[in-house]
Amino acid sequence: NAGVTQTPKFRILKIGQSMTLQCTQDMNHNYMYWYRQDPGMGLKLIYYSVGAGITDKGEVPNGYNVSRSTTEDFPLRLELAAPSQTSVYFCASSRGDREAGELFFGEGSRLTVL
Amino acid sequence: LAKTTQPISMDSYEGQEVNITCSHNNIATNDYITWYQQFPSQGPRFIIQGYKTKVTNEVASLFIPADRKSSTLSLPRVSLSDTAVYYCLVGTGIYNQGGKLIFGQGTELSVKP
Repeated sequence: NAGVTQTPKFRILKIGQSMTLQCTQDMNHNYMYWYRQDPGMGLKLIYYSVGAGITDKGEVPNGYNVSRSTTEDFPLRLELAAPSQTSVYFCASSRGDREAGELFFGEGSRLTVL
Repeated sequence: LAKTTQPISMDSYEGQEVNITCSHNNIATNDYITWYQQFPSQGPRFIIQGYKTKVTNEVASLFIPADRKSSTLSLPRVSLSDTAVYYCLVGTGIYNQGGKLIFGQGTELSVKP
């Protein structure tokens, strides 16, 4: 099992550009999450999904969009990139059972907006 | 949503036991308490999870008092490699909050030789 795979690992964007961060998991997990982590700070929840076709906002959803057309994939779309979106983005998944279960994280995608 | 409060930082020395306490005064009946460890430039890694009393695994113990308003992560005999940020997470899966899992600020543990 590859676990949670994120691409790309690194990306530099210009202000106003758009891009999609890809996340895929091969554990058949229902729940998937996108977090961002600014330097020296904790993780902030952007969006999450409890199953295919279902998404919901987290703490900091502005400037982002997500979709969940399959159980495996949960891409994060950045429209009109801004310097404030410079961060490391982590995708995570879990079974989503009663205990919340263990969150499995990807290796992260480091994004710089100049 | 249950808000968590942890010390921002802690220092320790190799071989000592470290206890990190997390406060979660408005924890809900169905909430579980989970601790994660994060090294620089890596995603967080699951350490331990519990609901009440005491849970122990090969790397840590988790103590939860009867009122469940706080929890304590205990790391026995820490080494330099335990230097990391530790997060306390309170939440549930499908039965509450719809799976919305919010991380707190975390505790930066520094282990010195």
